[in-house]
Amino acid sequence: QLQLQESGPGLVRPSETLSLTCTVAGGSISNISYYWGWVRQPPGKGLEWLGSIYSDETTYYNPSLKSRVTVSLGTSMTQFSLHLTSLTAADTAVYYCATSLGGTFRLWGRGALVTVSS
Amino acid sequence: EVVMTQSPATLSVSAGERVTLSCRASQSVSDNLAWYQQKPGQAPRLLIYGASSRATGIPARFSGSGSGTEFTLTISSLQSEDFALYYCQQYKTWYTFGQGTKLEIK
Repeated sequence: QLQLQESGPGLVRPSETLSLTCTVAGGSISNISYYWGWVRQPPGKGLEWLGSIYSDETTYYNPSLKSRVTVSLGTSMTQFSLHLTSLTAADTAVYYCATSLGGTFRLWGRGALVTVSS
Repeated sequence: EVVMTQSPATLSVSAGERVTLSCRASQSVSDNLAWYQQKPGQAPRLLIYGASSRATGIPARFSGSGSGTEFTLTISSLQSEDFALYYCQQYKTWYTFGQGTKLEIK
């Protein structure tokens, strides 16, 4: 059974870069025809898609964040990563990795809370 | 950006009742509309895609309808486990979500 798990720092300083990794258990990114993406949720607020990647490394980004977001595949094809630059307090959120198929997010990780604070 | 607007923000209902949640898109998204359920401390769960197709394992009491700019999610008879947050999402032009509707117990 496919499962996703986010990992990374829980606290990041303003202006720094956030790096999160999503580990795929029960399958390989190269063998599954999903998109692999990131969605975040600020505390008490709604959901925002950040970006997605396919197994051929084609990437798609939220236009409002495109200059700050990078999604990449790991070398093992069981991980993919999120990099978000120039952090501010507004980037404090729970960050989810998720698979998407046909535009809908089918399988989600449990989420990782990231706080941006000095 | 396609803006998704959900109404109402909060809905107080009793178990066993029929409830309808609304979602409006700022421009036509055809039937590229999904609904998610989120419980406290959990990730969202896909309920409906293609405006009206139930995802795997979703009970038949959940149904979706609409196309273009107006969509509804109906729960025919509320169960205790249905009290949660519900989000709509369009995937016609990138992906954007509504701000959510909270179903709470009356």
